Amino acid sequence: GNSVTQMEGPVTLSEEAFLTINCTYTATGYPSLFWYVQYPGEGLQLLLKATKADDKGSNKGFEATYRKETTSFHLEKGSVQVSDSAVYFCALKGAGGTSYGKLTFGQGTILTVHP
Amino acid sequence: DVKVTQSSRYLVKRTGEKVFLECVQDMDHENMFWYRQDPGLGLRLIYFSYDVKMKEKGDIPEGYSVSREKKERFSLILESASTNQTSMYLCASSSRGTGLREQYFGPGTRLTVT
Repeated sequence: GNSVTQMEGPVTLSEEAFLTINCTYTATGYPSLFWYVQYPGEGLQLLLKATKADDKGSNKGFEATYRKETTSFHLEKGSVQVSDSAVYFCALKGAGGTSYGKLTFGQGTILTVHP
Repeated sequence: DVKVTQSSRYLVKRTGEKVFLECVQDMDHENMFWYRQDPGLGLRLIYFSYDVKMKEKGDIPEGYSVSREKKERFSLILESASTNQTSMYLCASSSRGTGLREQYFGPGTRLTVT
């Protein structure tokens, strides 16, 4: 079955530091890949997405590249802000037309950014 | 603006009680989902529905049931609440069509069973 593995957290950074959160996956075919973010007290919001190999998703200064050869979708940001403090989830949607849009999530990574 | 709402943000129930969690979406989405979120485990799918009165088990359906009588509303039912069902419950919805069919999430219900 499909699975997603994220780097263990929590991650604590100073403002303006570089961020990487690792995500690797196991799936057959060509899944779609997502990063969701959950700010304190809120539900999840889609941060970025990629549908095929070598696609780069980007939003709000965050980027992730779909790497088929390494089955990875690592999240990066060049300069984090205090407002980026949140929980980040990597997720995949399996290939094929009968999945009804089901997502498989990683365990989440807590990011705390200090001034 | 798309919206998924959940009936309660916080809920405290006693062991053995029947618990109803309600979710409503205003986007005319066909698909709706219930997840539970636990630290270190991420989100795990309990049940989902791809149409009115249709439902499918997710990865952890034991101890739960669901109801979808109207397209916009998807209810999660804990038939007899237990302490190991203390968790954050998240509802989501998505459209059926082609393409990525992004899931939109509600704010969550934090349920405590004592």
